[in-house]
Amino acid sequence: GAGVSQSPSNKVTEKGKDVELRCDPISGHTALYWYRQSLGQGLEFLIYFQGNSAPDKSGLPSDRFSAERTGGSVSTLTIQRTQQEDSAVYLCASSLPTSGTTEQFFGPGTRLTVL
Amino acid sequence: SQELEQSPQSLIVQEGKNLTINCTSSKTLYGLYWYKQKYGEGLIFLMMLQKGGEEKSHEKITAKLDEKKQQSSLHITASQPSHAGIYLCGADNAGNNRKLIWGLGTSLAVNP
Repeated sequence: GAGVSQSPSNKVTEKGKDVELRCDPISGHTALYWYRQSLGQGLEFLIYFQGNSAPDKSGLPSDRFSAERTGGSVSTLTIQRTQQEDSAVYLCASSLPTSGTTEQFFGPGTRLTVL
Repeated sequence: SQELEQSPQSLIVQEGKNLTINCTSSKTLYGLYWYKQKYGEGLIFLMMLQKGGEEKSHEKITAKLDEKKQQSSLHITASQPSHAGIYLCGADNAGNNRKLIWGLGTSLAVNP
């Protein structure tokens, strides 16, 4: 497709379980971002990938969160031992190589509910 | 306090009325983005502003950047029900588009 896609669109899990969220960026976009959007909160930066450079993980809230980007394309955000406070919408975005300020294209998000 | 303040938090207007949403940063703005979000959907890009005094328009939506005041405004003329949604501003405070700081959003309802 032409846009950023994310799967699943909704995920309900039990506290303590691990979850994997997937993001397919726009073809040719070397920059990829993960954000978290919680009720009443703004968008929270989690992690940033740019080409083959080391990712910027400074936004990950704990070591239960990790992300990979294979082959410079698809990315997976993994949350281990989920907690109820992890419930949020997880948004992925991609953009052209950043040499300054460029538009980020967002996916529809994955709504995660931890029971 | 928030690094990026949006006001108002919510807005209800009658169809056909004009409205303005503001976004104020506590830090230098290298770029300011406006996005729109509808429930259950991702963010839809509206406009990006980079230079002080810059003004962009798309259909009935106009955004301006006041670099000195570290502020941007989004103005909708003759609002329509299709304008309803949450408007978010995102700020690039580092000049690298990496970690955008986001406002909490302005929820807009337009009554027919």
